[in-house]
Amino acid sequence: QQQVKQSPQSLIVQKGGISIINCAYENTAFDYFPWYQQFPGKGPALLIAIRPDVSEKKEGRFTISFNKSAKQFSLHIMDSQPGDSATYFCAASTKAAGNKLTFGGGTRVLVKP
Amino acid sequence: NAGVTQTPKFQVLKTGQSMTLQCAQDMNHEYMSWYRQDPGMGLRLIHYSVGAGITDQGEVPNGYNVSRSTTEDFPLRLLSAAPSQTSVYFCASRRGPGNGEKLFFGSGTQLSVL
Repeated sequence: QQQVKQSPQSLIVQKGGISIINCAYENTAFDYFPWYQQFPGKGPALLIAIRPDVSEKKEGRFTISFNKSAKQFSLHIMDSQPGDSATYFCAASTKAAGNKLTFGGGTRVLVKP
Repeated sequence: NAGVTQTPKFQVLKTGQSMTLQCAQDMNHEYMSWYRQDPGMGLRLIHYSVGAGITDQGEVPNGYNVSRSTTEDFPLRLLSAAPSQTSVYFCASRRGPGNGEKLFFGSGTQLSVL
């Protein structure tokens, strides 16, 4: 039973377009929501993170939108570039469970030039 | 800047064989963990440690053992490998157990069990 459900599994977007990845969670105790980016043959790396007291966080072309009432959060990649082609994972954690990260299933993003 | 180093990068085992995946970090991080990555399943936590001498189970601990005798090293042992353990394994560390601490990953070990 996955506590964090991620969609879609894969995504193809044209260069300059917007990539949108969605995650939904059940555990209302989650209080930290990071996104990790993984390139082929590499380990994941932290991209951006948000806490539930904020509805949106932006870092460069990457934006997290958070909807606490719907228990959903999403990653938007604006002006997508071929270098953004990677697998993206959402995750969540709670202090109540020792801050262990629970990951979504991942989304493979391909940006076509 | 080595960060988190995992060895080996690739390994093929026969069913029933044992092996140890090595993980070392040079950032003096208290918290270390092992994940396995399977298609569509994301990353699932196997075992973790909040400091030398302290380990605990994650989401999928069966078939794996860990120990943490030093701050730097956190090896993962497969006692009797099974085909279901075919996966990519990642070691990760962070400064402390606190919420919001950035998790640093190694580059992974691709394991095949025949």
